[in-house]
Amino acid sequence: QVHLQESGPGLVKPSETLSLTCTVSGGSINKLYWSWVRQPAGKGLEWIGRLYSDGTTNYNPSLKSRLTMSVDMSKNQFSLNLKSVTAADTAIYYCARCIATAGNNWFDSWGQGILVTVSA
Amino acid sequence: SSDLTQDPPVSVALGQTVKITCQGDSLRTYSASWYQQKPGQAPVLVLYDTNNRPSGIPDRFSGSTSGNTASLTITGTRAEDEADYYCNSRDTTGYQVVFGGGTKVTVL
Repeated sequence: QVHLQESGPGLVKPSETLSLTCTVSGGSINKLYWSWVRQPAGKGLEWIGRLYSDGTTNYNPSLKSRLTMSVDMSKNQFSLNLKSVTAADTAIYYCARCIATAGNNWFDSWGQGILVTVSA
Repeated sequence: SSDLTQDPPVSVALGQTVKITCQGDSLRTYSASWYQQKPGQAPVLVLYDTNNRPSGIPDRFSGSTSGNTASLTITGTRAEDEADYYCNSRDTTGYQVVFGGGTKVTVL
């Protein structure tokens, strides 16, 4: 059973960069897709982006200009960097394993989530 | 805004059946998956590829699709099924992933 764990600062100042890491245990990160999803308090889920283990990425168009995702195979980790954050980026951030087929794309394992607050 | 539209909150009596829907043009091409989220917890996959249940998900959860609408049905609803339910699929381009806005299911 794969386990995902998010880590990173819980507080980021406006205009700075939000950086999170997801550590995967119980399975290899290789040859799979991995995603980030966020959820503002009291609101729905928002897909941030996904990356394949070879570093190929797909980003949510609304975040693409500020977003970078990367993978570290040696550590079985993948990361998220979101620059120039504002209060609107305050949310619980989840990492998830993404199963992608020709017909769909779903998330079968999730981290517990990490609350990131953007505030001075 | 979301490319997938879900029902407003619904209530269901204990033991009864509830069906919630997810509408979007992309569902004519791509299948839907469904997640259950309880307060303070991460989402849990309950159905993938329209009507497939991951290991450990009870068979009272089932799914279907017709045209641009995917549905999740809970038969014999239990108190522990009270949660928010989200659908997801690809968008119409096929390159992005989208979630519906969620439907809160209350068990009476």
